[in-house]
Amino acid sequence: DTAVSQTPKYLVTQMGNDKSIKCEQNLGHDTMYWYKQDSKKFLKIMFSYNNKELIINETVPNRFSPKSPDKAHLNLHINSLELGDSAVYFCASSLWTSGDYYNEQFFGPGTRLTVL
Amino acid sequence: KQEVTQIPAALSVPEGENLVLNCSFTDSAIYNLQWFRQDPGKGLTSLLLIQSSQREQTSGRLNASLDKSSGRSTLYIAASQPGDSATYLCAVLLTGGGNKLTFGTGTQLKVEL
Repeated sequence: DTAVSQTPKYLVTQMGNDKSIKCEQNLGHDTMYWYKQDSKKFLKIMFSYNNKELIINETVPNRFSPKSPDKAHLNLHINSLELGDSAVYFCASSLWTSGDYYNEQFFGPGTRLTVL
Repeated sequence: KQEVTQIPAALSVPEGENLVLNCSFTDSAIYNLQWFRQDPGKGLTSLLLIQSSQREQTSGRLNASLDKSSGRSTLYIAASQPGDSATYLCAVLLTGGGNKLTFGTGTQLKVEL
């Protein structure tokens, strides 16, 4: 009964490779997010999608391409991986508020990406 | 640009003590503020969410307050237990920010026996 799930949990790869991280939520939410937590544990938004439409792209390099096939899934594909991409990537979901009142975000367990 | 700061960065207390974690933000135009807990190597667990019109929220031994005008929130933990040991993060949701959470720097809490 996991609410927000991510696969894989750990990802170790060489520089220059292309990799994908998958995220799925079963909360019935219409908005999904990717956050990056760096080595200093600081969390920052990367992307958000509402109803499969890109809402936020927080000046992320275009090597990162999110894809949302439906409201319950938001995958992250990364091309030409670099050492600096090593981090923990968190997926999250919520209901879109846009003038509504409540917008609690729920996070997945994270994917630890290590680029060698 | 919204900046969120948490003080202290680390805190160690004996079991049973009541404690307060602080969060401050520079832009008061927020929708809400959320407190999270992160255990080592794990994801984030949402603890409390306070809407901008609210002053406080309570859940069990946790009480979060919000003073939007002064840009501050506190998380009060009563009768702390070793199981409370974790990193606590606050995050604000800006109005017109596209539902983007801006996170604080975190407070690493250790509750000792």
